[in-house]
Formats: sequence, structure tokens, C-alpha cells
Amino acid sequence: GNSVTQMEGPVTLSEEAFLTINCTYTATGYPSLFWYVQYPGEGLQLLLKATKADDKGSNKGFEATYRKETTSFHLEKGSVQVSDSAVYFCALSGGATNKLIFGTGTLLAVQP
Amino acid sequence: NAGVTQTPKFRILKIGQSMTLQCTQDMNHNYMYWYRQDPGMGLKLIYYSVGAGITDKGEVPNGYNVSRSTTEDFPLRLELAAPSQTSVYFCASSYETSSYEQYFGPGTRLTVT
Repeated sequence: GNSVTQMEGPVTLSEEAFLTINCTYTATGYPSLFWYVQYPGEGLQLLLKATKADDKGSNKGFEATYRKETTSFHLEKGSVQVSDSAVYFCALSGGATNKLIFGTGTLLAVQP
Repeated sequence: NAGVTQTPKFRILKIGQSMTLQCTQDMNHNYMYWYRQDPGMGLKLIYYSVGAGITDKGEVPNGYNVSRSTTEDFPLRLELAAPSQTSVYFCASSYETSSYEQYFGPGTRLTVT
């Protein structure tokens, strides 16, 4: 069945460091791919998405490219801030009912 | 436009008690979902609904029930609470489109002791 694997955390970075959080997927067909972010004590918010191969999703300085050949959707940001500290979830969807399959989440902690 | 709202925010139950977690959305979304989030385990789908009067099981439905009498509301019922149901519960909704974007509520933190 469909599944998502993302790197385990926590990831601890200093402010202005480069961020990569790896995400790979297994799926039949052509799923859409998402990154959601969860700030402490809050629900999940959509960060970015890509709906077909080679699409690049971007938002708030974060980027991820839908790579069908490597079945990957890695999240990157050139210069992280303390305010980026959160849990990041990779997810995929497909099928008629819009169901999402989530990875286990990666905790990012950015230190000043 | 409040989006997806959930009540209560926190609840402590004793084993064997029952309760209903409320979820309401004001975006006229057809699709609604209930997830539970356990530490280090990501989100697991409990139940979902593709419209009023239609519900179906997700990955982990045992111990839960749902109903969908209106487009706006999608309550989750726990009949006989067990410690294994200690978790954070999230409700979400989405349009019936090809982009599959889901909008999440703030969550309910439930402890069963």
C-alpha cells in the first residue's frame, strides 16, 4: 500500500543554517505530495504542496520538488529562523476520498 | 470564517466512560476526517466522511463511532474509554477537488486513566 518515510528527528540547527528534511514515498498511480507544519500546541497547517512530477511547491522560504524518479519530496530552506521550530509532516494523497497518508513527523528545533 | 473548530480542547476520562468530541467546519466542505496523533507515530485516520449521511472506516476505527447528519458537523463518539485511546485527536475537512488539501482543527487532547 501507499506509505511515506521521513527522516527521524529531532533536527537541531542554529539560526540561518540550511535545512533539509528527507521524505520518500511508495505509491501506486500519481499521488499529490504535501508538507504540513505543526507549531507547538496547534493543529496542522499546510506548508506547501505539489500535484505532479517535477512540480516545485514553495511557501515562506521553504521548497520541495516532486521527484518521481527517486520517489522523493525533500523539504529545504536556505536560512532557518527560531520561529521555524515545529514538527514537519510529509504526506501523500490519492484516490477519490482525499485521504492523506502521513509520515511520522520530524521535529525541528532552531537555536538562536 | 472560523475554519475547523473542535471542542473540548482537553478532557480527562475514566476507563469505561463515554464522550463525544465535537467538530464543526464553516467552509462547506464535503469531506471530513478524524485522526489521532500518538507521540512519534504520526497521524492515523480513524473515520472519514464524503458527505452528509455517508461515513467510512479509516485505519484505526475500533472503539469509535461517527455520524454525519449535516455538512458542517462530524462528531466522534467514544463509547467505552480505554487507556489506549489516550491521544490527541484532530478533525480535518477538504473540498472535493483534485488537490486533496485538508484543513485541520486545533485538536482535542484526551487522557483516559
